[in-house]
Amino acid sequence: DAGVIQSPRHEVTEMGQEVTLRCKPISGHNSLFWYRQTMMRGLELLIYFNNNVPIDDSGMPEDRFSAKMPNASFSTLKIQPSEPRDSAVYFCASSFHDGSGNTIYFGEGSWLTVV
Amino acid sequence: AQSVTQPDIHITVSEGASLELRCNYSYGATPYLFWYVQSPGQGLQLLLKYFSGDTLVQGIKGFEAEFKRSQSSFNLRKPSVHWSDAAEYFCAVSPSGGYQKVTFGTGTKLQVIP
Repeated sequence: DAGVIQSPRHEVTEMGQEVTLRCKPISGHNSLFWYRQTMMRGLELLIYFNNNVPIDDSGMPEDRFSAKMPNASFSTLKIQPSEPRDSAVYFCASSFHDGSGNTIYFGEGSWLTVV
Repeated sequence: AQSVTQPDIHITVSEGASLELRCNYSYGATPYLFWYVQSPGQGLQLLLKYFSGDTLVQGIKGFEAEFKRSQSSFNLRKPSVHWSDAAEYFCAVSPSGGYQKVTFGTGTKLQVIP
């Protein structure tokens, strides 16, 4: 089975530009997560979707960040405008949540550098 | 709120030696517990998980972990480390019901010397 697929794998952009990260979760999974990983702050949960509905977005840093999940097989994380402090690895992850326990599967990450 | 503590930031072991990575959690009830491994430039891969039942859990790559409720711990062990085990290891905890927000520890970087 294909795992969680993220694109782009690497992106270098200039400050002020819009960045869109994409994610295709594992087929059949009903939960999707966006995480950000930095040396300073470690692994942070940005937003969690269940059945395409955002359940917890308390980790989204500020209004410059937005995430959507228009259907069960696609999600985007957008940063507009981007800033150098947004440089990080962004992971998408998915799981099947049925209330009795789930395992999160991670994508390979999108490595973002904002200069 | 739940939390995870990995007290060791870096650990160095010799190849062939045994390994134990520490993990302590804070949660009001029995949580779900996980260990993930991250190789450089890669995503996180699940090593093993504990949901219920036997407190000694076997995982991939020869790893095991033991859930000790009295100590709020879920330490990861391997009897003989291989050079390919060099990576960063993350312990994680989530509630055992409802919204399953997974909280990760800060990670332990493992260096293996020949």
